[in-house]
Amino acid sequence: GAVVSQHPSWVICKSGTSVKIECRSLDFQATTMFWYRQFPKQSLMLMATSNEGSKATYEQGVEKDKFLINHASLTLSTLTVTSAHPEDSSFYICSAVGNEQFFGPGTRLTVL
Amino acid sequence: AQSVTQLGSHVSVSEGALVLLRCNYSSSVPPYLFWYVQYPNQGLQLLLKYTSAATLVKGINGFEAEFKKSETSFHLTKPSAHMRDAAEYFCAVSEGADDKIIFGKGTRLHILP
Repeated sequence: GAVVSQHPSWVICKSGTSVKIECRSLDFQATTMFWYRQFPKQSLMLMATSNEGSKATYEQGVEKDKFLINHASLTLSTLTVTSAHPEDSSFYICSAVGNEQFFGPGTRLTVL
Repeated sequence: AQSVTQLGSHVSVSEGALVLLRCNYSSSVPPYLFWYVQYPNQGLQLLLKYTSAATLVKGINGFEAEFKKSETSFHLTKPSAHMRDAAEYFCAVSEGADDKIIFGKGTRLHILP
């Protein structure tokens, strides 16, 4: 099946720094990618829809200036958590839409 | 708006017993329905999906689910539980194959020896 990768798989950073997470579709092109967030022992919550060549669409309550999304190519979307704080610590999962939706393995962010 | 409700945040069954995880959905359009499994500290794995074809959907690892429109349900079953089935299971809904997916809160399946 189609493969979606995320990099890094885990990251630890200091409070106030910015962290970039990459989501790549390895063997197909994805006009649309989605970013989800999963807090410990909770479900996945959609953060935003990333469309290649256009601005991302954010879900209600998600700060677009804090979570910057760039979808510059058909195989890559990036999520940058700006000025990260401990409450941003979470598991971030992307998905990419080919002939169906495929999920990445996730990135665990820990903000100290 | 679409939503899914998973009944029971924790379900325990004995090894070899029937597994039944309940999911009810709400959708204003014919839904696409999914079951995903998540093992600790890992991503999601698709078990099965319903996309308006056969109402009984067979998935991987011996799981299956039945779409019942009259009951707005999409319960997940497996005839005989294995220890390796212990994981978190998410029911999910979307309006199409390329649309955002809305997840339920999840059900933790425990397998008793």
